[in-house]
Amino acid sequence: NAGVTQTPKFQVLKTGQSMTLQCAQDMNHEYMSWYRQDPGMGLRLIHYSVGAGITDQGEVPNGYNVSRSTTEDFPLRLLSAAPSQTSVYFCASSRNRGHEQFFGPGTRLTVL
Amino acid sequence: AQSVAQPEDQVNVAEGNPLTVKCTYSVSGNPYLFWYVQYPNRGLQFLLKYITGDNLVKGSYGFEAEFNKSQTSFHLKKPSALVSDSALYFCAVRGSVTNTGNQFYFGTGTSLTVIP
Repeated sequence: NAGVTQTPKFQVLKTGQSMTLQCAQDMNHEYMSWYRQDPGMGLRLIHYSVGAGITDQGEVPNGYNVSRSTTEDFPLRLLSAAPSQTSVYFCASSRNRGHEQFFGPGTRLTVL
Repeated sequence: AQSVAQPEDQVNVAEGNPLTVKCTYSVSGNPYLFWYVQYPNRGLQFLLKYITGDNLVKGSYGFEAEFNKSQTSFHLKKPSALVSDSALYFCAVRGSVTNTGNQFYFGTGTSLTVIP
């Protein structure tokens, strides 16, 4: 049972490039979410999903897209990277809304 | 609007002393409240949660938290701090009403340092 996995661990992009951050969980959790963590700002929700085929925006969705074609996977796409997207990104999953979230190890993204 | 406040960026406590990390919240309906801990360069780890029932919740590593509805607070406590408790602590809330109940809101975090 690997829990929540994220790839890559580190990534450097140039402004304007696109990329996909991968997230997978093997706990059959319905709820998955993406956060970014910036100093002094805690974790801010980007997008979330309550099940396969269902996604919704969080607090800071601009510049990011998500899809949920399977229960296991929840990739986050940066359409055109900007320096303001330099951050640490965490994926999380939970059984449902009343349960705690399990977090992945994070992806540290730098946009030059 | 849903929100969580952690009024202290930094808490220092001597090893063996009791520790408290404060959290207040604002949410529609009955709250689901959580505490997480983050060690350097790691993801967040769940400590404990309050959904309903007893206002005093016990969690991992000897931590506990007290839900106070009148003060809208959910402070994290431990009777005797260890150096290994030094980490970043996050309070989180999830609303119970339909239109907000799928989103977690996190505080900005409190850095706890336990001094040997």
